[in-house]
Amino acid sequence: SAVISQKPSRDICQRGTSLTIQCQVDSQVTMMFWYRQQPGQSLTLIATANQGSEATYESGFVIDKFPISRPNLTFSTLTVSNMSPEDSSIYLCGTNGESSYNEQFFGPGTRLTVL
Amino acid sequence: QKEVEQNSGPLSVPEGAIASLNCTYSDRGSQSFFWYRQYSGKSPELIMSIYSNGDKEDGRFTAQLNKASQYVSLLIRDSQPSDSATYLCAVLWNTDKLIFGTGTRLQVFP
Repeated sequence: SAVISQKPSRDICQRGTSLTIQCQVDSQVTMMFWYRQQPGQSLTLIATANQGSEATYESGFVIDKFPISRPNLTFSTLTVSNMSPEDSSIYLCGTNGESSYNEQFFGPGTRLTVL
Repeated sequence: QKEVEQNSGPLSVPEGAIASLNCTYSDRGSQSFFWYRQYSGKSPELIMSIYSNGDKEDGRFTAQLNKASQYVSLLIRDSQPSDSATYLCAVLWNTDKLIFGTGTRLQVFP
């Protein structure tokens, strides 16, 4: 599977500010995914990012709050905008594996705390 | 609403025992099923995939799938304290979206 890295690994931010999370993959991948994992909860898909097209957002997530870029086949960013304490979560970047069964693999995550 | 349900636990088993983790799902059309292990403070790690009815074994892990009952399970034989983690069941929906259960916390005590 591809090696996925994320930056920053953690951050503490003030209410009302924005944070951009970077995700780098060591090989070219078609699809990249952004998930949120709130404290004590499971993973929830925020959006799917394909290179060269607009990201597809899941119900409950909007582009104004979580703008995503996908400039090439190895990189994506997720911005968490106008943050509130409710945005405190772990944000995970993921990609598909190489099999036809669409298993997904995840980066190490970004732990965000909003004060 | 696509749903994946798991007992949150904790499931406590003694070292050397078999741990049995269960998951049910709502979408009868789902074709691919995954188990992830997540240690505290870490990201999920894929440990098993299963696509056909029956059992699939990999080392100490066995995944079991019953599509008629919409049920998937994970057995961990000879459980070790290092297996203590949260186990997430995930179901593939619409070819590229994973729906995760809430996870079962497993505790293996010496």
